[in-house]
Amino acid sequence: EADIYQTPRYLVIGTGKKITLECSQTMGHDKMYWYQQDPGMELHLIHYSYGVNSTEKGDLSSESTVSRIRTEHFPLTLESARPSHTSQYLCASSASYRGHYGYTFGSGTRLTVV
Amino acid sequence: QQQVKQSPQSLIVQKGGISIINCAYENTAFDYFPWYQQFPGKGPALLIAIRPDVSEKKEGRFTISFNKSAKQFSLHIMDSQPGDSATYFCAASDGSGGYQKVTFGTGTKLQVIP
Repeated sequence: EADIYQTPRYLVIGTGKKITLECSQTMGHDKMYWYQQDPGMELHLIHYSYGVNSTEKGDLSSESTVSRIRTEHFPLTLESARPSHTSQYLCASSASYRGHYGYTFGSGTRLTVV
Repeated sequence: QQQVKQSPQSLIVQKGGISIINCAYENTAFDYFPWYQQFPGKGPALLIAIRPDVSEKKEGRFTISFNKSAKQFSLHIMDSQPGDSATYFCAASDGSGGYQKVTFGTGTKLQVIP
């Protein structure tokens, strides 16, 4: 079944650790996105990619980095986690802009930095 | 600058009632208006979407009403059920230039009480 997968679902990690949040999709979508969702529900775009070797920063400044070496894989890395990074991280993907297909979201990774 | 304003922030409706969530946008280049539904612990899921060339779209109990001149659109949930309790996000996107960056509203937490 075509879907988008995020791992881990939950992560508690100490300050200063390096972490990578995984996101993979099996739909062949060329566009992928990372959103940060705060407790007040709002979704903030932090990174996006329109294809392999293409990555851009989103509207919300983030200390994280992303890579897109394969179409299906869009991992997010924090080199040195801080308590301010505690949040829910959502990965999404979409097909070509023609026809304006909606986003497909993963279930998210809830990150807690202690 | 928030380009899509959503209200109310929270909504309590009795079972069988009509839930109404409103959104207003500023960017006249937006040409696709989706609504997303998010349950706790899950990512948002595309619920229904409309393009500005129609004034209404209905799918089951969910209806989008669109007013292009007022730059407003709304989601109506008829015969609301406890299973509809979730957070709802309106969104808008501009497909020009080959990009499909979506601007989300701030979300409405709906609670349907028996």
